[in-house]
Amino acid sequence: DQQVKQNSPSLSVQEGRISILNCDYTNSMFDYFLWYKKYPAEGPTFLISISSIKDKNEDGRFTVFLNKSAKHLSLHIVPSQPGDSAVYFCAARINSGNTPLVFGKGTRLSVIA
Amino acid sequence: DAGVIQSPRHEVTEMGQEVTLRCKPISGHDYLFWYRQTMMRGLELLIYFNNNVPIDDSGMPEDRFSAKMPNASFSTLKIQPSEPRDSAVYFCASTLQSRLVGGTQYFGPGTRLTVL
Repeated sequence: DQQVKQNSPSLSVQEGRISILNCDYTNSMFDYFLWYKKYPAEGPTFLISISSIKDKNEDGRFTVFLNKSAKHLSLHIVPSQPGDSAVYFCAARINSGNTPLVFGKGTRLSVIA
Repeated sequence: DAGVIQSPRHEVTEMGQEVTLRCKPISGHDYLFWYRQTMMRGLELLIYFNNNVPIDDSGMPEDRFSAKMPNASFSTLKIQPSEPRDSAVYFCASTLQSRLVGGTQYFGPGTRLTVL
């Protein structure tokens, strides 16, 4: 039973356009959400996070939106660059319980020049 | 800061052999996690430690898998005997308790295991 779902295994976007990666979760106890980025032959690296008390968090070209009622979050990358090509993992946790992260299966983003 | 260090980076072995994966967490971090990545299941948490003590090993798939953390700077994940379905990339990650509230974990580069 996947608690964090990334239903799109892959996404292709042209350079300069917006990339939107989606993530759904089922556990209503989750209150902290993160996105990790992974290049081939490397470990995942933290990209951006959002607490459930917010509905948006922005960091440069990266913005994460959270819709708690829909149990949905999305990562927007604007403008997309070829260096953004990677696998993006959505993760969630229950912040108050010192519980570990639960990851989605990842979405492979390809930014085409 | 050297980051999380894992060895070996690649391991090819034959079915039935024992495999030992190694991890050195970031100095001062008090949580250590072992994950397995496969195409079918994505990133799965296998086990995690707090201050060298295993906290939750419910993700360990079978008794063939075992993990130890004899001290704050070293952990091993052992598979004995190995099977072809164990082929995957195994990641180690660490974090500070204070950062666990924020959930940020630091991952090593992974060990790609191939069991023939």
